Amino acid sequence: QTVVTQEPSFSVSPGGTVTLTCGLNSGSVSSNYYPGWYQQTPGQAPRTLVYNTNTRSSGVPDRFSGSILGNKAALTITGAQADDESDYYCVMYMGSGTYVFGTGTKVTVL
Amino acid sequence: QVQLQESGPGLVKPSETLSLTCTVSGSSISGYYWSWIRQPPGKGLEWIAYIYYSGSTDYNPSLKSRVTISVETSKNQFSLRLSSVTAADTAVYYCARGNPVIPDYWGQGTLVTVSS
Repeated sequence: QTVVTQEPSFSVSPGGTVTLTCGLNSGSVSSNYYPGWYQQTPGQAPRTLVYNTNTRSSGVPDRFSGSILGNKAALTITGAQADDESDYYCVMYMGSGTYVFGTGTKVTVL
Repeated sequence: QVQLQESGPGLVKPSETLSLTCTVSGSSISGYYWSWIRQPPGKGLEWIAYIYYSGSTDYNPSLKSRVTISVETSKNQFSLRLSSVTAADTAVYYCARGNPVIPDYWGQGTLVTVSS
């Protein structure tokens, strides 16, 4: 069974930079998995930030950027703001319309 | 603007079948993958199943034996049935459009509680 692992939590100072990662138990993450990232605040549906490794969704500020770092997918928040305090989930496309979500990272801005 | 709206009972008894419908507006059902995703209270996201507009489907292996997904293109709707529910199936259930590499548009979600 495919498991996608993220850091449970991160803390970042306002204006600071934080990089979240997303790894696969079965091996390295590559662009072949079209990794994506969501932001979710309490009581809300996830908001698509990045898809296809590094393509920002419409309206997403450029302080959010996606990449592959080593053998993991990564989401970097540059110049963190208070309203970036959220849960962040990655997702891997496993082909033919199927997906596996990451375990989620809680980001605190303080 | 693409919008999805889940509908169905908010309370289901243990051992019964959970049934939800997603109504899509602003997008044709055709040409996309349509998924159900759930999130237990305080926990992460779990992909349940998808249906393609043509009717092809796939399921999360952990739920496959209990899940049925269907599409009604004439109504721009797709539906989920999850049988033999237990308290562990209590979650917010989301419907979403797959483009296909990511579920890009999501419904607001509906909380389904399994309790007698």
